[in-house]
Amino acid sequence: DVKVTQSSRYLVKRTGEKVFLECVQDMDHENMFWYRQDPGLGLRLIYFSYDVKMKEKGDIPEGYSVSREKKERFSLILESASTNQTSMYLCATIRGEAKNIQYFGAGTRLSVL
Amino acid sequence: AQKITQTQPGMFVQEKEAVTLDCTYDTSDQSYGLFWYKQPSSGEMIFLIYQGSYDEQNATEGRYSLNFQKARKSANLVISASQLGDSAMYFCAMREGWDNAGNMLTFGGGTRLMVKP
Repeated sequence: DVKVTQSSRYLVKRTGEKVFLECVQDMDHENMFWYRQDPGLGLRLIYFSYDVKMKEKGDIPEGYSVSREKKERFSLILESASTNQTSMYLCATIRGEAKNIQYFGAGTRLSVL
Repeated sequence: AQKITQTQPGMFVQEKEAVTLDCTYDTSDQSYGLFWYKQPSSGEMIFLIYQGSYDEQNATEGRYSLNFQKARKSANLVISASQLGDSAMYFCAMREGWDNAGNMLTFGGGTRLMVKP
């Protein structure tokens, strides 16, 4: 089974803080993704990475950056958290097969006060 | 324009009955894939079923089936014999194109399904 682990289920941060959301996968997968989920909007892609040190912007990258120093770990960084970044954040990876199904972590619910 | 549209924000179904969750999509690509995910209150997104645009038969996975109507660009999820544990958010998603090197998905807004005992 694919295992995707997000380091925190719940986080509360203050406006202006630097926030790190960590995601680890144990299957040596190349592609990893960060989404945010808001009611009525579904999931929107923030960034993705297809290899170590490689990253691409998704649909809503503003206010975020990412880091992929090791294949198994993909970090989402909020340089200066703002209240409009209060959301559910989901990390995903792809199992190597024709369907390229994305498998998700349990999510991190971030509140910025 | 929305690429994935789920028109039912919320639905009720009686336990043991079948239910259809609607999904329409918009793409000009000939090659694409359609996915359904379930998200219980715990938050984790669980993959349910996949349909490729060139698949001639509708996908089935246990109690889940995908009613794929290519000409109408719809990919409705059918859950047979609903169970209380089926209560969750359901998301339809699409992956477009051969050159989608990142295998990015576009998601719909979701449908909340509530199963009544």
